[in-house]
Amino acid sequence: DVVLTQTPVSLSVTLGDQASISCRSSQSLEYSDGYTYLEWYLQKPGQSPQLLIYEVSNRFSGVPDRFIGSGSGTDFTLKISRVEPEDLGVYYCFQATHDPYTFGAGTKLELK
Amino acid sequence: EVQLVESGGGLVQPGRSMKLSCAASGFTFNNYDMAWVCQAPKKGLEWVATISYDGSSTYYRDSVKGRFTISRDNAKSTLYLQMDSLRSEDTATYYCARQNYGPDYWGQGVMVTVSS
Repeated sequence: DVVLTQTPVSLSVTLGDQASISCRSSQSLEYSDGYTYLEWYLQKPGQSPQLLIYEVSNRFSGVPDRFIGSGSGTDFTLKISRVEPEDLGVYYCFQATHDPYTFGAGTKLELK
Repeated sequence: EVQLVESGGGLVQPGRSMKLSCAASGFTFNNYDMAWVCQAPKKGLEWVATISYDGSSTYYRDSVKGRFTISRDNAKSTLYLQMDSLRSEDTATYYCARQNYGPDYWGQGVMVTVSS
C-alpha cells in the first residue's frame, strides 16, 4: 500500500503567518493517464472533511487563493499564506492513484 | 446544492451486521463514483471503499474485504454499505462522499459502535 507521510505532525502559527505542510509518498503518484491524484483536505473541529486542493495544485470551488498546492512524483506541499482563524484544524493529504487509496496521518494547525 | 445524508448507524454487537445508507441530492448521482471513508474516535481518516458510477466496479481497503459490501441504487440516488462480521476496530464515524478525483463532497457522517 502507498504510505503518505505528513510533516509536521502539528504546527503552531500566529494569525497572518505562512504555514507549510509536507506530504511524501512511498511511490510516485503519477497515474498512467498523466494525472497525479493527490488531494488535500481540511477537517475543522466537529466537522466533516472538506476538499481544498485536487490533482496537486487545483483549488476546489470556493477555496481561497491563499491555499497553494505544489509538488510532483513523491513530494508534495500545501502552503497557506496569511493564516486566518477559519484555517485551523487538521489537514490531510490523500492519494487516489493507487488502489487501495490512502490518507496521510494528518497535520494539526493550531494557534501559538 | 450537493447534499449527502447518511443513516443507519448505531450500536451493534461484535460479529453482527449493519447496513448504512446515504441519500444523495443536488447532482446527477449516476454520473459519479461514490465512496465511504471512516474515522475512528480521535483518529485520522481511512478510505473504506469506492464504487464506480454504474456499480460495475468496486474497491475496498484490505481490512474490510470479504466483510463489507458497497453498492448503489441509481434510481433512488442512494449509496449503501453492508457491514458484516463487525469487529470492535470497525467502531468509527462513517462518511459518505462523492468521488470525483478524491472525495469532493462529504456527508455529515454516521457513528457505528461495535461493542457487546
